[in-house]
Amino acid sequence: DAKTTQPPSMDCAEGRAANLPCNHSTISGNEYVYWYRQIHSQGPQYIIHGLKNNETNEMASLIITEDRKSSTLILPHATLRDTAVYYCIVDGGGSYIPTFGRGTSLIVHP
Amino acid sequence: DTEVTQTPKHLVMGMTNKKSLKCEQHMGHRAMYWYKQKAKKPPELMFVYSYEKLSINESVPSRFSPECPNSSLLNLHLHALQPEDSALYLCASSQDQRDRPEKLFFGSGTQLSVL
Repeated sequence: DAKTTQPPSMDCAEGRAANLPCNHSTISGNEYVYWYRQIHSQGPQYIIHGLKNNETNEMASLIITEDRKSSTLILPHATLRDTAVYYCIVDGGGSYIPTFGRGTSLIVHP
Repeated sequence: DTEVTQTPKHLVMGMTNKKSLKCEQHMGHRAMYWYKQKAKKPPELMFVYSYEKLSINESVPSRFSPECPNSSLLNLHLHALQPEDSALYLCASSQDQRDRPEKLFFGSGTQLSVL
């Protein structure tokens, strides 16, 4: 079972930051938070992962709260091509195999 | 090469047919995965191969038969499928570092329709 809760949908204006929240209140101390996204008709794409500290890469930033019960994925300057379903995943008991929940459908509009 | 290639992209088959889905990667990854995705639903894990051995089978019906001939190839053999098996079948691979978080690389999938 997915151990995360995400809003089903969000929208964002092109060029603005998209902040996608995720709740994972039952996360264990050694479990990572991963984000993937799936653009229509394609396979999921890895975005970023983290344990405790905030992380940044060329695609996005990941902010994890100090108690690790929630996190936020930030796309700093959203483009139309960022329209996708975004999945927040907590690895399954150390198996490190993604179990996908329902995700957030992000629509970036002009 | 950071691609996972799946063939065919689309497949239509009857309930009495036998067909195979193929997946290939040349990233040196030692773990390979099959996921099934119904429309508007998240992907569901079916099988995991680790170092060419089946390590996880998520109670998948025997009409789905995975095969990993070598570390670069993964097949899914299909036989006597039902219309409810129509879905997008996704292949993925990862390094299989055993005790460290994994990034999965996914193919674009095979859209399967069972008539």
